Amino acid sequence: NAGVTQTPKFRVLKTGQSMTLLCAQDMNHEYMYWYRQDPGMGLRLIHYSVGEGTTAKGEVPDGYNVSRLKKQNFLLGLESAAPSQTSVYFCASTMTGSNQPQHFGDGTRLSIL
Amino acid sequence: AQTVTQSQPEMSVQEAETVTLSCTYDTSENNYYLFWYKQPPSRQMILVIRQEAYKQQNATENRFSVNFQKAAKSFSLKISDSQLGDTAMYFCAFMKHRNSNYQLIWGAGTKLIIKP
Repeated sequence: NAGVTQTPKFRVLKTGQSMTLLCAQDMNHEYMYWYRQDPGMGLRLIHYSVGEGTTAKGEVPDGYNVSRLKKQNFLLGLESAAPSQTSVYFCASTMTGSNQPQHFGDGTRLSIL
Repeated sequence: AQTVTQSQPEMSVQEAETVTLSCTYDTSENNYYLFWYKQPPSRQMILVIRQEAYKQQNATENRFSVNFQKAAKSFSLKISDSQLGDTAMYFCAFMKHRNSNYQLIWGAGTKLIIKP
């Protein structure tokens, strides 16, 4: 069982460069989420999706865009990377039902120089 | 707005001891869900235990149990017979029952170190 797979696992960018993080899940989950994790803080929600073709802003959406063209994939884009976006990024998915846990990928460590 | 507070940034205990991690939350909701997640050095986020607010009985999963005090809005995690593999960051998380899109509100985490 692959579960939630994030690509890439590590990346170093220069300020102003763009890139896309890919999240893929094989559990047929409707809901998908992108978080960032910074030292001393809990996970913060960037964007989320409640189904194929839908996206919505979370707590810290500025500087990021997302797309959910296929149910199994949720892409996170950085149009013009900034040092403040240096973080570990996690993707998660869940099935409908409030008591269902979110399943997480292994994270992507992104450094912006 | 809901908030989750973990007041212990770091804790350490000897192997085989029992340790309790604290979590408090603030909400006006009556029905909700609470979770404890573990993040070992490998970085993977793993569900440890969950609790439905409408259930009075405390959830247990093997060596892990919770003390859920709804009136006090407290949700502590007890780890019995701690093992070296329990070394990790532990996060408490809250989810509303309805109209939440299943979003989780996270605490800042507690770093737990199990010493041999």
